[in-house]
Amino acid sequence: GQQLNQSPQSMFIQEGEDVSMNCTSSSIFNTWLWYKQDPGEGPVLLIALYKAGELTSNGRLTAQFGITRKDSFLNISASIPSDVGIYFCAGNYGGSQGNLIFGKGTKLSVKP
Amino acid sequence: ETGVTQTPRHLVMGMTNKKSLKCEQHLGHNAMYWYKQSAKKPLELMFVYSLEERVENNSVPSRFSPECPNSSHLFLHLHTLQPEDSALYLCASSQGHTSYEQYFGPGTRLTVT
Repeated sequence: GQQLNQSPQSMFIQEGEDVSMNCTSSSIFNTWLWYKQDPGEGPVLLIALYKAGELTSNGRLTAQFGITRKDSFLNISASIPSDVGIYFCAGNYGGSQGNLIFGKGTKLSVKP
Repeated sequence: ETGVTQTPRHLVMGMTNKKSLKCEQHLGHNAMYWYKQSAKKPLELMFVYSLEERVENNSVPSRFSPECPNSSHLFLHLHTLQPEDSALYLCASSQGHTSYEQYFGPGTRLTVT
């Protein structure tokens, strides 16, 4: 079945640093979404993207729908401690309508 | 209550028990979903309901039985589970099952002993 490759798997951040992560697929996707999950909670929707090339911001978060429609990127500027958590990409390639494929997540931790 | 709520938040059950997970959404959505989240694996879609009708069943074993009595409530009935069924079970809702913006509840952490 369809799979999303999300990288990096984990990263350490220092307060104030910018963070980048990405998600790639082998097929063309028509929707990309980014979620954040805190420990003991469900994923929270951060940004939804619907058009190739689209760049959307939500506060310090910016996500882009890749031109090839096979990838998406999430950037966090000037990270703060509450940014730690697991970030998931999700997408729909036009299979069963509304069904999302999820990446395995990028775990953000504070640099010791 | 706002958003999507799930009860119980934690559940420990034996392999011969029968239990149910409950989900309620207060967003006015008409599609609801059950997902399974296991360590180091992507979220796995289990069931999709739209307007109280099941539109998707992703080859889930029959020991998991969903029920959607109305557009605000969703249940997952569990019986004779296996230890490998231990996971976080997440409920989500959206405005129509063709909407990609799904909103999740906090999940039920299930442990099967």
